[in-house]
Amino acid sequence: AQSVTQPDIHITVSEGASLELRCNYSYGATPYLFWYVQSPGQGLQLLLKYFSGDTLVQGIKGFEAEFKRSQSSFNLRKPSVHWSDAAEYFCAVGLSGGGADGLTFGKGTHLIIQP
Amino acid sequence: NAGVTQTPKFQVLKTGQSMTLQCAQDMNHEYMSWYRQDPGMGLRLIHYSVGAGITDQGEVPNGYNVSRSTTEDFPLRLLSAAPSQTSVYFCASRSGGQETYEQYFGPGTRLTVT
Repeated sequence: AQSVTQPDIHITVSEGASLELRCNYSYGATPYLFWYVQSPGQGLQLLLKYFSGDTLVQGIKGFEAEFKRSQSSFNLRKPSVHWSDAAEYFCAVGLSGGGADGLTFGKGTHLIIQP
Repeated sequence: NAGVTQTPKFQVLKTGQSMTLQCAQDMNHEYMSWYRQDPGMGLRLIHYSVGAGITDQGEVPNGYNVSRSTTEDFPLRLLSAAPSQTSVYFCASRSGGQETYEQYFGPGTRLTVT
């Protein structure tokens, strides 16, 4: 069965500093990979996605992520964080084929921004 | 387009009561799914549907029923609510094309079972 691991439950970053959130997945086939962000009390917003092709994908709000098949990773990065980036971030892998559907999520990383 | 809508936004139930969480989408999407979100657990798939009349279980289906009589609607039923079902529930939909695979999420329903 597929799984997603986000090793960091909480991360604290100073405003203006760079950010990297880690995501590792376990999946038998070529994965569909996603990063979502959730502000407190809000729904989920898609930051970016990887299906195939270029392994470095650009998303909204200045985020990017790199797919590394050899490391089974899909880490999220941002060169300079803003206070408004404080939120919960979820990595997810999409099921495909065989009549199955849906996303498997990691448990999330809570991002705290220090002034 | 309204996208994915969920009703109600908030609900309080007593143990043993039943209720239906409504989910509708106006994008003519084939695929729909239900997730629950609990602190420290991320989102977990409850049930999904790959088209009208076709549903299947996800990771945590116990205590929940679904049906898909139309493309637009995918209600989630709690037949006998338990405190363990206190959670935030999200419905999602996507088109059938594998080349997109983007899930569109509803705003969520916050359910408390006392």
